[in-house]
Amino acid sequence: QVTLKESGPVLVKPTETLTLTCTVSGFSLSNARMGVSWIRQPPGKALEWLAHIFSNDEKSYRTSLKSRLTISKDTSKSQVVLTMTNMDPVDTATYYCARMFGNSQGNWFDRWGQGTLVTVSS
Amino acid sequence: DIQMTQSPSSLSASVGDRVTITCRASQSISSYLNWYQQKPGKAPKLLIYAASNLQSGVPSRFSGSGSGTYFTLTISSLQPEDFATYYCQQSYNAPWTFGQGTKVEIK
Repeated sequence: QVTLKESGPVLVKPTETLTLTCTVSGFSLSNARMGVSWIRQPPGKALEWLAHIFSNDEKSYRTSLKSRLTISKDTSKSQVVLTMTNMDPVDTATYYCARMFGNSQGNWFDRWGQGTLVTVSS
Repeated sequence: DIQMTQSPSSLSASVGDRVTITCRASQSISSYLNWYQQKPGKAPKLLIYAASNLQSGVPSRFSGSGSGTYFTLTISSLQPEDFATYYCQQSYNAPWTFGQGTKVEIK
Protein backbone atom coordinates (compact mmCIF):
# COMPACT_ATOMS: atom_id res chain seq x y z
CA GLN A 1 0.00 0.00 0.00
CA VAL A 2 1.45 3.31 -1.12
CA THR A 3 1.23 6.18 1.34
CA LEU A 4 2.79 9.61 1.71
CA LYS A 5 2.61 11.69 4.86
CA GLU A 6 3.70 15.27 5.40
CA SER A 7 5.06 16.52 8.69
CA GLY A 8 6.39 19.81 9.94
CA PRO A 9 5.43 22.95 11.86
CA VAL A 10 1.90 24.29 11.67
CA LEU A 11 3.04 27.84 12.46
CA VAL A 12 6.14 29.71 11.37
CA LYS A 13 7.11 33.34 11.81
CA PRO A 14 7.88 35.70 8.95
CA THR A 15 11.50 35.48 7.77
CA GLU A 16 11.92 32.01 9.29
CA THR A 17 12.83 28.89 7.31
CA LEU A 18 10.20 26.18 6.84
CA THR A 19 11.27 22.54 6.81
CA LEU A 20 8.75 19.92 5.74
CA THR A 21 9.26 16.17 5.59
CA CYS A 22 7.40 13.70 3.40
CA THR A 23 7.65 10.11 4.63
CA VAL A 24 6.67 7.54 2.03
CA SER A 25 5.87 3.85 2.21
CA GLY A 26 4.98 1.17 -0.28
CA PHE A 27 7.58 2.23 -2.83
CA SER A 28 11.26 3.12 -2.99
CA LEU A 29 12.61 6.59 -3.71
CA SER A 30 15.26 4.87 -5.85
CA ASN A 31 12.65 3.42 -8.23
CA ALA A 32 13.46 4.83 -11.67
CA ARG A 33 9.78 5.30 -12.55
CA MET A 34 9.05 7.46 -9.53
CA GLY A 35 9.79 10.84 -8.09
CA VAL A 36 8.25 13.07 -5.43
CA SER A 37 7.00 16.63 -5.70
CA TRP A 38 5.89 19.24 -3.22
CA ILE A 39 2.75 21.14 -4.17
CA ARG A 40 0.98 23.82 -2.17
CA GLN A 41 -2.46 25.39 -2.11
CA PRO A 42 -3.16 28.75 -0.47
CA PRO A 43 -6.60 28.88 1.17
CA GLY A 44 -9.29 29.08 -1.50
CA LYS A 45 -6.76 29.16 -4.34
CA ALA A 46 -5.32 26.85 -6.96
CA LEU A 47 -2.61 24.21 -6.73
CA GLU A 48 0.97 25.47 -7.11
CA TRP A 49 3.73 23.02 -7.93
CA LEU A 50 6.90 23.86 -5.96
CA ALA A 51 9.68 21.31 -6.39
CA HIS A 52 10.44 17.80 -7.60
CA ILE A 53 13.15 15.26 -6.96
CA PHE A 54 13.77 12.42 -9.37
CA SER A 55 15.03 8.95 -8.52
CA ASN A 56 18.50 9.89 -9.80
CA ASP A 57 18.55 12.89 -7.41
CA GLU A 58 17.97 15.42 -10.19
CA LYS A 59 15.90 18.34 -8.95
CA SER A 60 13.54 20.90 -10.43
CA TYR A 61 12.03 24.03 -8.87
CA ARG A 62 9.23 26.51 -9.45
CA THR A 63 10.87 29.32 -11.34
CA SER A 64 9.51 32.14 -9.18
CA LEU A 65 10.61 30.48 -5.92
CA LYS A 66 13.83 28.81 -7.02
CA SER A 67 16.05 30.97 -4.82
CA ARG A 68 14.10 30.02 -1.69
CA LEU A 69 13.56 26.29 -2.17
CA THR A 70 15.71 23.23 -1.57
CA ILE A 71 14.50 19.65 -2.02
CA SER A 72 16.43 16.59 -0.93
CA LYS A 73 15.83 12.94 -0.15
CA ASP A 74 17.09 10.23 2.14
CA THR A 75 16.33 6.97 0.38
CA SER A 76 17.23 4.84 3.39
CA LYS A 77 14.68 6.70 5.52
CA SER A 78 12.11 6.95 2.69
CA GLN A 79 11.92 10.70 3.26
CA VAL A 80 11.83 13.76 1.03
CA VAL A 81 12.56 17.11 2.66
CA LEU A 82 11.61 20.57 1.44
CA THR A 83 13.07 23.73 2.89
CA MET A 84 11.71 27.18 2.07
CA THR A 85 13.58 30.20 3.36
CA ASN A 86 12.39 33.69 4.26
CA MET A 87 8.76 32.71 4.86
CA ASP A 88 6.07 35.36 4.36
CA PRO A 89 2.36 35.43 5.22
CA VAL A 90 1.59 34.87 1.51
CA ASP A 91 3.23 31.44 1.90
CA THR A 92 0.37 30.36 4.17
CA ALA A 93 -0.99 27.25 2.47
CA THR A 94 -1.66 23.55 2.66
CA TYR A 95 1.50 21.79 1.53
CA TYR A 96 1.17 18.41 -0.16
CA CYS A 97 3.74 15.87 -1.21
CA ALA A 98 2.82 13.67 -4.14
CA ARG A 99 4.35 10.74 -5.97
CA MET A 100 4.96 11.19 -9.67
CA PHE A 101 4.81 7.96 -11.62
CA GLY A 102 6.25 7.83 -15.11
CA ASN A 103 6.35 5.60 -18.14
CA SER A 104 6.50 5.97 -21.90
CA GLN A 105 3.14 7.77 -21.89
CA GLY A 106 4.28 10.49 -19.53
CA ASN A 107 4.31 11.36 -15.85
CA TRP A 108 1.48 11.98 -13.40
CA PHE A 109 0.80 12.43 -9.71
CA ASP A 110 -0.88 9.19 -8.79
CA ARG A 111 -0.61 9.30 -5.00
CA TRP A 112 -0.89 12.27 -2.66
CA GLY A 113 -0.35 12.89 1.01
CA GLN A 114 -3.17 14.30 3.10
CA GLY A 115 -1.51 17.72 3.22
CA THR A 116 -0.36 19.89 6.09
CA LEU A 117 -1.54 23.44 6.71
CA VAL A 118 1.29 25.87 7.39
CA THR A 119 0.41 29.33 8.67
CA VAL A 120 2.92 32.17 8.52
CA SER A 121 2.25 34.73 11.21
CA SER A 122 4.07 36.63 13.90
CA ASP B 1 7.47 27.88 -18.14
CA ILE B 2 4.40 26.39 -19.78
CA GLN B 3 1.18 28.18 -18.82
CA MET B 4 -2.04 26.18 -18.45
CA THR B 5 -5.38 27.98 -18.83
CA GLN B 6 -8.67 26.33 -17.92
CA SER B 7 -12.16 27.44 -18.85
CA PRO B 8 -14.57 28.11 -17.44
CA SER B 9 -13.34 29.03 -13.97
CA SER B 10 -16.63 27.80 -12.58
CA LEU B 11 -19.88 26.35 -13.83
CA SER B 12 -23.26 25.38 -12.47
CA ALA B 13 -24.82 22.16 -13.64
CA SER B 14 -27.53 19.71 -12.69
CA VAL B 15 -27.29 16.02 -11.93
CA GLY B 16 -27.38 14.14 -15.21
CA ASP B 17 -25.90 16.98 -17.27
CA ARG B 18 -23.01 16.52 -19.65
CA VAL B 19 -20.14 18.77 -18.58
CA THR B 20 -17.03 19.73 -20.52
CA ILE B 21 -14.00 21.57 -19.14
CA THR B 22 -11.24 22.83 -21.40
CA CYS B 23 -7.54 23.30 -20.78
CA ARG B 24 -5.15 25.11 -23.09
CA ALA B 25 -1.35 25.00 -22.97
CA SER B 26 0.84 27.95 -23.93
CA GLN B 27 2.87 25.64 -26.19
CA SER B 28 2.46 22.16 -27.55
CA ILE B 29 2.67 19.49 -24.86
CA SER B 30 1.80 16.51 -27.04
CA SER B 31 -0.40 14.29 -24.81
CA TYR B 32 1.42 15.04 -21.55
CA LEU B 33 -1.69 16.30 -19.80
CA ASN B 34 -3.32 15.02 -16.62
CA TRP B 35 -6.60 15.81 -14.87
CA TYR B 36 -7.32 15.82 -11.13
CA GLN B 37 -10.44 16.17 -9.01
CA GLN B 38 -10.33 17.89 -5.63
CA LYS B 39 -13.06 18.02 -3.04
CA PRO B 40 -13.03 20.52 -0.16
CA GLY B 41 -10.50 19.67 2.53
CA LYS B 42 -9.13 16.73 0.57
CA ALA B 43 -6.03 16.05 -1.50
CA PRO B 44 -6.43 16.00 -5.28
CA LYS B 45 -7.22 12.68 -6.94
CA LEU B 46 -5.92 11.59 -10.33
CA LEU B 47 -8.71 11.08 -12.88
CA ILE B 48 -7.08 11.02 -16.32
CA TYR B 49 -3.42 10.64 -17.30
CA ALA B 50 -1.70 11.16 -20.63
CA ALA B 51 -4.71 13.11 -21.92
CA SER B 52 -7.13 10.24 -22.38
CA ASN B 53 -6.30 7.34 -20.06
CA LEU B 54 -8.72 6.65 -17.22
CA GLN B 55 -7.00 6.02 -13.90
CA SER B 56 -7.90 2.71 -12.29
CA GLY B 57 -11.06 2.95 -10.21
CA VAL B 58 -12.34 6.15 -11.82
CA PRO B 59 -15.89 5.88 -13.21
CA SER B 60 -16.22 5.61 -16.97
CA ARG B 61 -18.41 8.72 -17.15
CA PHE B 62 -15.13 10.66 -17.00
CA SER B 63 -13.18 10.96 -20.25
CA GLY B 64 -10.37 13.08 -21.59
CA SER B 65 -9.27 14.05 -25.06
CA GLY B 66 -6.93 16.35 -26.91
CA SER B 67 -3.31 16.80 -27.85
CA GLY B 68 -0.93 19.62 -28.62
CA THR B 69 -2.36 22.69 -26.92
CA TYR B 70 -6.07 21.92 -26.49
CA PHE B 71 -7.57 19.39 -24.10
CA THR B 72 -10.98 18.59 -22.68
CA LEU B 73 -12.34 16.72 -19.67
CA THR B 74 -15.90 15.49 -20.08
CA ILE B 75 -18.29 14.11 -17.50
CA SER B 76 -21.00 12.35 -19.49
CA SER B 77 -23.68 12.37 -16.79
CA LEU B 78 -22.91 14.47 -13.72
CA GLN B 79 -23.43 12.70 -10.42
CA PRO B 80 -23.81 14.26 -6.95
CA GLU B 81 -20.31 13.12 -5.96
CA ASP B 82 -18.78 14.91 -8.98
CA PHE B 83 -19.31 18.38 -7.57
CA ALA B 84 -15.72 19.43 -6.98
CA THR B 85 -12.87 21.45 -8.44
CA TYR B 86 -10.97 20.04 -11.42
CA TYR B 87 -7.38 20.82 -12.38
CA CYS B 88 -5.33 20.08 -15.47
CA GLN B 89 -1.54 19.66 -15.20
CA GLN B 90 1.16 19.40 -17.84
CA SER B 91 4.02 16.95 -17.52
CA TYR B 92 5.70 17.76 -20.84
CA ASN B 93 8.63 19.27 -18.99
CA ALA B 94 9.55 20.62 -15.60
CA PRO B 95 8.64 22.93 -14.02
CA TRP B 96 5.31 21.09 -13.96
CA THR B 97 2.34 23.46 -14.01
CA PHE B 98 -1.35 23.30 -13.11
CA GLY B 99 -4.31 25.16 -14.49
CA GLN B 100 -6.17 27.55 -12.23
CA GLY B 101 -9.00 25.10 -11.63
CA THR B 102 -12.66 24.76 -12.62
CA LYS B 103 -15.23 24.57 -9.86
CA VAL B 104 -18.30 22.51 -10.71
CA GLU B 105 -21.26 23.57 -8.58
CA ILE B 106 -24.81 22.37 -8.17
CA LYS B 107 -27.41 24.28 -10.18
